[in-house]
Amino acid sequence: EAGVVQSPRYKIIEKKQPVAFWCNPISGHNTLYWYLQNLGQGPELLIRYENEEAVDDSQLPKDRFSAERLKGVDSTLKIQPAELGDSAVYLCASSTSGDEQYFGPGTRLTVT
Amino acid sequence: GENVEQHPSTLSVQEGDSAVIKCTYSDSASNYFPWYKQELGKGPQLIIDIRSNVGEKKDQRIAVTLNKTAKHFSLHITETQPEDSAVYFCARGTYKYIFGTGTRLKVLA
Repeated sequence: EAGVVQSPRYKIIEKKQPVAFWCNPISGHNTLYWYLQNLGQGPELLIRYENEEAVDDSQLPKDRFSAERLKGVDSTLKIQPAELGDSAVYLCASSTSGDEQYFGPGTRLTVT
Repeated sequence: GENVEQHPSTLSVQEGDSAVIKCTYSDSASNYFPWYKQELGKGPQLIIDIRSNVGEKKDQRIAVTLNKTAKHFSLHITETQPEDSAVYFCARGTYKYIFGTGTRLKVLA
């Protein structure tokens, strides 16, 4: 069974530029999560989807971050414009319930 | 509060020895506690989990214990091997995980 797929794996952009990350969850997993992981810290939840509905986006900085999961499968997380402090690893995870979340390899974003 | 405290932050053991990592939490409503292993450049990998109706769970060289009264849970790795070297995260919660701050484990050959 294929795991969670994320792309790109690495992205370097200049500040104020837009950037987008893509995630394909494990087949059959209705719940999809985006996490932010700063260096040396544990992941922090940004947004959770149940199928195509964002059911918890309380931690998403909505002034510059947006996300979508239009058909309830793949998801895209966007930052516009990016700031220096956005440099981090962006992780996608999926699950069939609230337990047993499986993570992708992450996208390492560097904003210069 | 929401935080999960994790100790130690770094741990070095000799190959073959045991390693223990402990996490404490304050939210009495928590009933699911997973442990993740994260290698450099990779995403967290679920290695074992425990639910609140169980006090201990074991999977080969890895075990987790849970003390709901004291609100702490621990990861035990026996017969450590160099490939166990990684950062380990505990977490609590359902849907919205609250992660600990991580423990960098080094197994010395």
